[in-house]
Amino acid sequence: ELKVEQNPLFLSMQEGKNYTIYCNYSTTSDRLYWYRQDPGKSLESLFVLLSNGAVKQEGRLMASLDTKARLSTLHITAAVHDLSATYFCAVVYTGTASKLTFGTGTRLQVTL
Amino acid sequence: GAVVSQHPSRVICKSGTSVKIECRSLDFQATTMFWYRQFPKQSLMLMATSNEGSKATYEQGVEKDKFLINHASLTLSTLTVTSAHPEDSSFYICSARDGGGKSEQFFGPGTRLTVL
Repeated sequence: ELKVEQNPLFLSMQEGKNYTIYCNYSTTSDRLYWYRQDPGKSLESLFVLLSNGAVKQEGRLMASLDTKARLSTLHITAAVHDLSATYFCAVVYTGTASKLTFGTGTRLQVTL
Repeated sequence: GAVVSQHPSRVICKSGTSVKIECRSLDFQATTMFWYRQFPKQSLMLMATSNEGSKATYEQGVEKDKFLINHASLTLSTLTVTSAHPEDSSFYICSARDGGGKSEQFFGPGTRLTVL
């Protein structure tokens, strides 16, 4: 079964703190995406990770990929309230005609 | 670039009626479009993949006679929810891809469907 699991499902953190969201997937993938979703809105693309060891950073967010462990992380540095949103990872599994399988999502709440 | 629009953004209808949702790629030609459904506080679930000029491919458990998908041109796909019921109430999101398998999907803003 093609599964993508994220943890935690919900994360409440204070401004200024660091934290990591984990994304585990079940089998070989071609690439992995991270998206942000604000309430009532659609998805905003954050990162695409293509190969083992890939690391991408944008502002306070950094994503990495370990294909051997089938694990991606989204690290938040010095969180600010504006980062409050739901974050999804999504995997394109090999041989699935480029379909995205989404993770369960992590709802991040950054408190002042 | 790579803008995808959806219309309407919000629709409320009575049980038993049909609702059509449009998904348009505004500045590129979308060879493939995808339709997702998202229930409150849940993830996105792929409903179907549509390729221009051919029949849509539905995911397991999605009724093709209830969710009619048409992809008549390279910039437009439509999803028609036939004989809608309250359990069809959801957020429907389309995405479009402009090229081959490794190209990125661009997401529309979503359509909130409420069936009374």
